[in-house]
Amino acid sequence: GESVGLHLPTLSVQEGDNSIINCAYSNSASDYFIWYKQESGKGPQFIIDIRSNMDKRQGQRVTVLLNKTVKHLSLQIAATQPGDSAVYFCAENPYGGATNKLIFGTGTLLAVQP
Amino acid sequence: NAGVTQTPKFRVLKTGQSMTLLCAQDMNHEYMYWYRQDPGMGLRLIHYSVGEGTTAKGEVPDGYNVSRLKKQNFLLGLESAAPSQTSVYFCASSPYIKGPYGYTFGSGTRLTVV
Repeated sequence: GESVGLHLPTLSVQEGDNSIINCAYSNSASDYFIWYKQESGKGPQFIIDIRSNMDKRQGQRVTVLLNKTVKHLSLQIAATQPGDSAVYFCAENPYGGATNKLIFGTGTLLAVQP
Repeated sequence: NAGVTQTPKFRVLKTGQSMTLLCAQDMNHEYMYWYRQDPGMGLRLIHYSVGEGTTAKGEVPDGYNVSRLKKQNFLLGLESAAPSQTSVYFCASSPYIKGPYGYTFGSGTRLTVV
């Protein structure tokens, strides 16, 4: 719930602006990445995913960019709305096809100011 | 269309007590997972299962046991609760790791050990 946001990096944006949330992943062998959104008191919810053979993928108001050279992932949210306020996690699968375990980042709290 | 259901939603235990958290999914997913979430630490994998009758250790398995007697259910047990196990516990399921939508999470169980 709300305690998830404590001690997390925070991004504060104005309603209507674009948001960019960044994530550094750990394993150069990771070949699949997912962004999750977690609202207060709820479980994480899938936003968008991307495979390592892609640099960019777009969804509805969201875009994920992958830079394998520097092991960096970003989530762009266009025209940020108050309902976008949440903690955002990236996750990677560093195990290839061997297992189905995801490794999650610690998250970023997005605070949308009206 | 319930998805992933966790029971109970809240629980307070005394040190040394035992309890079982239940996770049920109705999506016929093969894989199920138990995570704990602590402030500023993201989601950490406790145990997981790749099919009925199978279990495996995750990142932080000590003090927990699991069972997957039926495909739709994944139970997490605490035999002798400790204050360090105070956390929010999330169950998740997935058909396979690299498909669309990643994991489906439950809404969580907030456990306090006093």
